Amino acid sequence: AQSVSQHNHHVILSEAASLELGCNYSYGGTVNLFWYVQYPGQHLQLLLKYFSGDPLVKGIKGFEAEFIKSKFSFNLRKPSVQWSDTAEYFCAVNPRMDSSYKLIFGSGTRLLVRP
Amino acid sequence: DVKVTQSSRYLVKRTGEKVFLECVQDMDHENMFWYRQDPGLGLRLIYFSYDVKMKEKGDIPEGYSVSREKKERFSLILESASTNQTSMYLCASKGSSGGTYEQYFGPGTRLTVT
Repeated sequence: AQSVSQHNHHVILSEAASLELGCNYSYGGTVNLFWYVQYPGQHLQLLLKYFSGDPLVKGIKGFEAEFIKSKFSFNLRKPSVQWSDTAEYFCAVNPRMDSSYKLIFGSGTRLLVRP
Repeated sequence: DVKVTQSSRYLVKRTGEKVFLECVQDMDHENMFWYRQDPGLGLRLIYFSYDVKMKEKGDIPEGYSVSREKKERFSLILESASTNQTSMYLCASKGSSGGTYEQYFGPGTRLTVT
C-alpha cells in the first residue's frame, strides 16, 4: 500500500536554528508532493508543492523542499526558524495515476521553536 | 480566496447518537473530502466525492456515511457514534481544472463521543 513516512514526530529548536524535516513515500510512479502546515488553533494550509520541473521548490515564509526521486524523498527545510514557525507539519503525496486527487498524508511532525 | 466552512468547531455527542457534520465550500469545486486527524496518525481519508451524488470510500469508511446533494455541501454522517470516533474531522475541497491538485481545508470539527 502507498504510504508516507515522516521520521521526526517531535522536533524542538531554538530560534535561528536550521530546520530539516524528513519525508519519504512509497510509490513507484509519478507523484505530486505537498507540505501542509497547521499552526496552533488554525486550519491546515499549504506550505509548498511540487508537480514537475525544478526539484527545489520554494514556499511561503522562507520554507523550501527538495524532491529527490531516487530516494523517494521530499524533505522540508528552512535556514533559520522563528518562534512563529511553531506548528505541526504534514507531508502529503498524490499519485498522478490516481484520478481521485486524494492525498496520502504522513503522520506529522510537531515543531516547537523556543525563543 | 477559497473558503471551506464546517458547521461546528466543537461537538459533544453520546454513544449511539446519529451525528451530522456539515461542510460547505464556496469555490464551485467538484471534489470534496472528509478526513479524520488523530495524534501520531496524521490525516486519514474517510470518504470523498467527485461530483454531486457521487461518493467513494477512502481508507477508513467503517462507521461513516456521506451525502452530497448539492455541489457546495458535503456531509459526514456517523450512524451510531462510538467513543473510538472521538477525533478531529477535517473537510477539504479541490477543483478539477487548473491542475494544481491543491486541497483547501476547513477549520475542523473536534468531536467528542462520551
